[in-house]
Amino acid sequence: QSALTQPPSASGSPGQSVTISCTGTRSDVGGYDYVSWYQQYPGTAPKLIIYEVTKRPSGVPGRFSGSKSGNTASLTVSGLQAEDEADYYCSSYAGSKGVFGGGTKLTVL
Amino acid sequence: EVQLVESGGGLVQPGGSLRLSCRASGFIFSSYDMHWVRQAAGKGLEWVSAIGTADDTYYPGSVKGRFTISRENAKNSLFLQMNSLSAEDTAVYYCTRALFGFGAVPTFDYWGQGALVTVSS
Repeated sequence: QSALTQPPSASGSPGQSVTISCTGTRSDVGGYDYVSWYQQYPGTAPKLIIYEVTKRPSGVPGRFSGSKSGNTASLTVSGLQAEDEADYYCSSYAGSKGVFGGGTKLTVL
Repeated sequence: EVQLVESGGGLVQPGGSLRLSCRASGFIFSSYDMHWVRQAAGKGLEWVSAIGTADDTYYPGSVKGRFTISRENAKNSLFLQMNSLSAEDTAVYYCTRALFGFGAVPTFDYWGQGALVTVSS
């Protein structure tokens, strides 16, 4: 069982917005602003798309955004595109260790 | 260009040991914290270990006492010594470079291609 809770699946039509949640505790998500999000296509390594809750690495489209409220972080994908269909994982610092969510499979309908 | 290349994966019997290596290039290896992350087939990501630039190390409870992370800066190499392996350790193991240089913050800007470790009799 993963330390952070994500919905197993999410979906949306092209052009729509989808939000994926990542729920932890005060000891991880709620206690630190070191929440990251990764995108992973089948058979490939994950790619960092959000770090420090809201920041995007260079080259990541602006339609990916992150936020946090209390013990729950969220990833929003706006203007969904077919290429956004992938698995998404959140991670958080938890004081001397790192923790991941179980992952969310995003389907573009 | 930053590159991380893992090696040393393979089939090992339960209770056995295996040592993974990761060769880094394209950046000043000694200046970065490095981590290992694993992923069992069809499952999610699991943080496995971290090592800082001062050789400080960090582990989750699931591997503490069995796994040892180390680095050799002169050879731009990261290692993971895995002992007392069980079927639950079967996974692809990724070598990753940490964006932040303190503790076990799981923010990784570069990943290797992964090394498959299979624990089975």
